[in-house]
Amino acid sequence: AQSVTQLGSHVSVSEGALVLLRCNYSSSVPPYLFWYVQYPNQGLQLLLKYTSAATLVKGINGFEAEFKKSETSFHLTKPSAHMSDAAEYFCAVSNGGSQGNLIFGKGTKLSVKP
Amino acid sequence: EPEVTQTPSHQVTQMGQEVILRCVPISNHLYFYWYRQILGQKVEFLVSFYNNEISEKSEIFDDQFSVERPDGSNFTLKIRSTKLEDSAMYFCASSRFGGGQETQYFGPGTRLLVL
Repeated sequence: AQSVTQLGSHVSVSEGALVLLRCNYSSSVPPYLFWYVQYPNQGLQLLLKYTSAATLVKGINGFEAEFKKSETSFHLTKPSAHMSDAAEYFCAVSNGGSQGNLIFGKGTKLSVKP
Repeated sequence: EPEVTQTPSHQVTQMGQEVILRCVPISNHLYFYWYRQILGQKVEFLVSFYNNEISEKSEIFDDQFSVERPDGSNFTLKIRSTKLEDSAMYFCASSRFGGGQETQYFGPGTRLLVL
């Protein structure tokens, strides 16, 4: 069965600092992995996804994630945090079925200090 | 840019009452989903819907839940007799195609509070 673990429910960084949000997955089949972001009072917006092409995936707003099969990880990074990055970030894995239902982690709330 | 919309944004109801949550998926999408997030917990899959029938459902999606696509645009989730534990944020999502690599586009959610 597929599952996702996000380490750290809350991460705080200074503006301009590196952002690193951790996600580890468990999957019985080659995984499809996603990062979504949720800004206050908005829906979940796709940041990026891994679909077995390049292991380094670039997304919107300067975010990227690297798929590491040996570590079963898909950590999200951004070299320099901006105040507008403050939001909640969700890692998800497709359940491997034909419909692609998503299994989410608990989310990590990112705070950015000026 | 096309987006998924949901109404209402907030709903308060009494335990035992029926509620209907509404979603308008992106117009050329074929696959529809409901998820929910109880406060402080994970976003959980409820049900997927394709070709006017349920494709998959989770163990959460019991007999008190139903989904319908009553016309060409709306996709609804009905909770027949609400319980306190149904209080959650409910997200609708849609995708153009099915399959694990397809992007699901989410609506802003409906926050349901059962008293």
